[in-house]
Amino acid sequence: EVQLAQSGAALVRPGGSLRLSCVAAGFDFSDSAMCWVRQAPGKGLEWVSGISGSGGSVYSAPSVRGRFTISRDNSKNTVFLQMDSLRADDTAVYYCAKDGGSVAEYWGHGTLVTVSS
Amino acid sequence: EIVLTQSPGTLSLSPGERATLSCRASQSVNNNYVAWYQQRPGQPPKFLIYAASTRATGTPDRFSGSGSGTDFFLTISRLEPEDFAVYFCQQYGRSPLTFGGGTKVEIK
Repeated sequence: EVQLAQSGAALVRPGGSLRLSCVAAGFDFSDSAMCWVRQAPGKGLEWVSGISGSGGSVYSAPSVRGRFTISRDNSKNTVFLQMDSLRADDTAVYYCAKDGGSVAEYWGHGTLVTVSS
Repeated sequence: EIVLTQSPGTLSLSPGERATLSCRASQSVNNNYVAWYQQRPGQPPKFLIYAASTRATGTPDRFSGSGSGTDFFLTISRLEPEDFAVYFCQQYGRSPLTFGGGTKVEIK
């Protein structure tokens, strides 16, 4: 069974930084692309960032490019999202997901990130 | 960027009825790379369909996807109580990957 365990909710000041983590189990992690998708309160979905199994190829949405960095540690079955220069409009639930060819096949339960002073 | 417009915004139906959801793209989606997801309240989305019409593992066969080019549809043949939820389409034929705004299927 695929399991994706995400870090807990966080409150961050505007301009601050935060690193999200997601620990995977139940599949060959190092052979699997991973991604982060976010959902602002009461809103739709936005594909934020993706990374290949080896970590050699990454993708970031225009809205976060230059501020967010995706990475992974295959020895720990963990994917990260480093978020810098956070803004109020980054407030959202951030979902970690197993990327099955640019579709989010399996989802974690999400991490609420609130950016507020 | 490909903009996906889902309609209707809300669909009010009774259990056992047929639901048809629309997803229209602002330009043709390469290879009909459209996926559908279901989201129940307080839950993460669940992957249902990819490549416009192929059911994901575990997706019941009452769910079917169709369409090509710019117009795509998700049909639920007979609504079960657990099907009342919000549904999102996504295109992955061109970067940036984008989602539609969602259709809520509610109990009438």
